[in-house]
Amino acid sequence: RKEVEQDPGPFNVPEGATVAFNCTYSNSASQSFFWYRQDCRKEPKLLMSVYSSGNEDGRFTAQLNRASQYISLLIRDSKLSDSATYLCVVNPMNTGFQKLVFGTGTRLLVSP
Amino acid sequence: EAGVAQSPRYKIIEKRQSVAFWCNPISGHATLYWYQQILGQGPKLLIQFQNNGVVDDSQLPKDRFSAERLKGVDSTLKIQPAKLEDSAVYLCASSSFERSGHTDTQYFGPGTRLTVL
Repeated sequence: RKEVEQDPGPFNVPEGATVAFNCTYSNSASQSFFWYRQDCRKEPKLLMSVYSSGNEDGRFTAQLNRASQYISLLIRDSKLSDSATYLCVVNPMNTGFQKLVFGTGTRLLVSP
Repeated sequence: EAGVAQSPRYKIIEKRQSVAFWCNPISGHATLYWYQQILGQGPKLLIQFQNNGVVDDSQLPKDRFSAERLKGVDSTLKIQPAKLEDSAVYLCASSSFERSGHTDTQYFGPGTRLTVL
């Protein structure tokens, strides 16, 4: 089983739609969770961290379910500029060293 | 603040040739990472440095890959000899420092796109 699993998509949605991505992780001792965004032929960039209580940043909401070991990202009112690959990222280590494990990414295409 | 710098941006070589990539992290960042990203996959960590020491190189194919970070600043990643399956984007990232129980943001460079023919 992969450490971090995501549906690769693509998810095709119209502008203004709400779309949600899920991600599962295998290591129950994982400490930190993130969503990164990667535009085509560009480097990954941190979109947001994921906290146990859930967190929101504008149109983006991230949630963590430790019991079921999954993370979600909700995008409301999708914009054309949201088209990208969204990488689910987990730090599986509890030693204090940061080792990020990336999922394969979920591709989002927002159309006019 | 300048970002993570990498060079070259593109490289095409034939199999069995050697290649080297260079990375200069964000100034003051103690931790440096090299990732390999194959098309359609997420980045995979190859090696992690804390200052000039190796923290994790468990996924580095040591028979052909090597990396160093002299003086704890910039770093080079070398492949010798290259195989077809090494075709990928090699990403360098840096973060400020490690603290127990805290994960600092990793900042990525633009990557080097390697094609092995």
